[in-house]
Amino acid sequence: GNSVTQMEGPVTLSEEAFLTINCTYTATGYPSLFWYVQYPGEGLQLLLKATKADDKGSNKGFEATYRKETTSFHLEKGSVQVSDSAVYFCALSDQGGYQKVTFGTGTKLQVIP
Amino acid sequence: DADVTQTPRNRITKTGKRIMLECSQTKGHDRMYWYRQDPGLGLRLIYYSFDVKDINKGEISDGYSVSRQAQAKFSLSLESAIPNQTALYFCATSETGGAQETQYFGPGTRLLVL
Repeated sequence: GNSVTQMEGPVTLSEEAFLTINCTYTATGYPSLFWYVQYPGEGLQLLLKATKADDKGSNKGFEATYRKETTSFHLEKGSVQVSDSAVYFCALSDQGGYQKVTFGTGTKLQVIP
Repeated sequence: DADVTQTPRNRITKTGKRIMLECSQTKGHDRMYWYRQDPGLGLRLIYYSFDVKDINKGEISDGYSVSRQAQAKFSLSLESAIPNQTALYFCATSETGGAQETQYFGPGTRLLVL
């Protein structure tokens, strides 16, 4: 079956530091890949996505590239802010008729001033 | 107003009680989902519905039931709550379409079963 593996958190960074959150996946076929973010007390919301190999998703300064050869979709940001403190979920959606989404366990990011 | 709303936001109940969690959406989406979130386990799918007449079990449906009263409403019931159903529950929606679609989440219901 499909699976998503994320680096365990929490990750604590100082403001303006570089962020990488690793994500690797196992899937049959060619899934779409997503990063969702969950701010404290809220539901998940889409941060960015990529639908095919070598695509780069980007939003709010965050980027992730769909790497089929390494089955990875690592999240990066060049300079984090306190407002980026949240839980980040990597996810994949397979290409079958039913849009089943498999989520990783989430990585908590804390950015300190 | 939020596109996906959940009620209640917090609930404390006792073992053996029947409770219902409700979800409403104004996005006009056909597909609706119920997930639970547990620390260290991420989100797991309980039930999903493609439309009012189509309801399907997810990976952890035991102990739960659902009702799709209308396109906009999808309720989750715990027939006889037990402590290991203590979790954060999310409703989500998506449009009819392919694997690249985004899911839109409600704010969640935090449930504590004593």
